[in-house]
Amino acid sequence: SYELTQPSSVSVSPGQTASITCSGDKLGDKYTCWYQQKPGQSPVLVIYQDTRRPSGIPERFSGSNSGNTATLTISGTQGMDEADYFCQAWDSSTDVVFGGGTKLTVL
Amino acid sequence: EVQLVESGGDLVQPGGSLRLSCAASGFTFSSYEMNWVRQAPGKGLQWVSYISSSGSSIYYADSVKGRFTVSRDNAKNSLYLQMNSLRAEDTAVYYCARTIAAAGKRNDYWGQGTLVTVSS
Repeated sequence: SYELTQPSSVSVSPGQTASITCSGDKLGDKYTCWYQQKPGQSPVLVIYQDTRRPSGIPERFSGSNSGNTATLTISGTQGMDEADYFCQAWDSSTDVVFGGGTKLTVL
Repeated sequence: EVQLVESGGDLVQPGGSLRLSCAASGFTFSSYEMNWVRQAPGKGLQWVSYISSSGSSIYYADSVKGRFTVSRDNAKNSLYLQMNSLRAEDTAVYYCARTIAAAGKRNDYWGQGTLVTVSS
């Protein structure tokens, strides 16, 4: 089965850039999306099709995907960005696959 | 405004059954694929099941295959998940999510979730 691997936690200072990685075999050949989930809330789509932002998502959120790694980048990180982030890809053999999630701490 | 509202979660004994519902509004339900995704307490997201817009294509995660059945009623704008032979490891918040299948698949709207607890 296809697997996606994320770091369990990432820390960033306010105003700095946070990068969260998602690794999988030939992930760059698939489209990746990213979800933000704050405590007690449902996931929110923040990046889709590797680099696209849904309407309403701030420009400081961006994404990339190449080789075996997709990356979610948050520029000028704010306290409100503190959340869990999950990557997701689709594989024809296993359908939707999620990464294990990364807890982003802004301190 | 797109809304997805799950219901049906409850405390159930191991081996028991439960039926979850997801009421959709604010969009043309019959035009969209749907997913069920669950999240065990303090854990990550796990895909559970997929159903195409017409209901003709259905897929399940290996962990629920043979025990769970997904269905939909486009006339009632509703999605369902019938869960049988429930196990402790099925304890989770269950979300329904609208799915866009273009350039991969993404879940662009999620419900608030409904909690299923399997315990004696």
